[in-house]
Amino acid sequence: QKEVEQNSGPLSVPEGAIASLNCTYSDRGSQSFFWYRQYSGKSPELIMSIYSNGDKEDGRFTAQLNKASQYVSLLIRDSQPSDSATYLCAVKNTGNQFYFGTGTSLTVIP
Amino acid sequence: DVKVTQSSRYLVKRTGEKVFLECVQDMDHENMFWYRQDPGLGLRLIYFSYDVKMKEKGDIPEGYSVSREKKERFSLILESASTNQTSMYLCASKGQTFKNIQYFGAGTRLSVL
Repeated sequence: QKEVEQNSGPLSVPEGAIASLNCTYSDRGSQSFFWYRQYSGKSPELIMSIYSNGDKEDGRFTAQLNKASQYVSLLIRDSQPSDSATYLCAVKNTGNQFYFGTGTSLTVIP
Repeated sequence: DVKVTQSSRYLVKRTGEKVFLECVQDMDHENMFWYRQDPGLGLRLIYFSYDVKMKEKGDIPEGYSVSREKKERFSLILESASTNQTSMYLCASKGQTFKNIQYFGAGTRLSVL
């Protein structure tokens, strides 16, 4: 079983719609959770971090964490073509290591 | 802003060559990491360091070594490059705060011919 699993997509949404990205993790003791955006040929850029159960909102982005279900999600409201990228879910486990999902490719169609 | 600088964006090397990838961060971070990223496999941790001269193996350390002589610099060494080490290499750094946020460099795309 992989430490972090994401649906690889591709996910396509029309401009202005809500994009929903999901991630599950295996280490129940994990405490820190992250979403990175990665444009083609570029390095990952942090867009959200979340540490406790519930929702965390930052502009058009909302991260949701459910530790009981070992599930993290990212919602992007009012999706824009510039949001088209690969989104990486990352989890810091009980040790000092970070594990990344393989990423979900998102395309926002104008 | 945190700045993590990788010495090369693109590198082409021959099989058997010794390759050095350099990473420098300017935020006095204790922790530094080297990952490789391959299509379908995501980011995989090669080595990390939590202090000067300290290192820990990640998930795929075989064929690699690292050096951290100064806090701001973390080097990845391919002792004898092989074609299966062709990849995107990403360096990251992280402070000691509870936020655990990693900041990435721009990446080095290495091709081994």
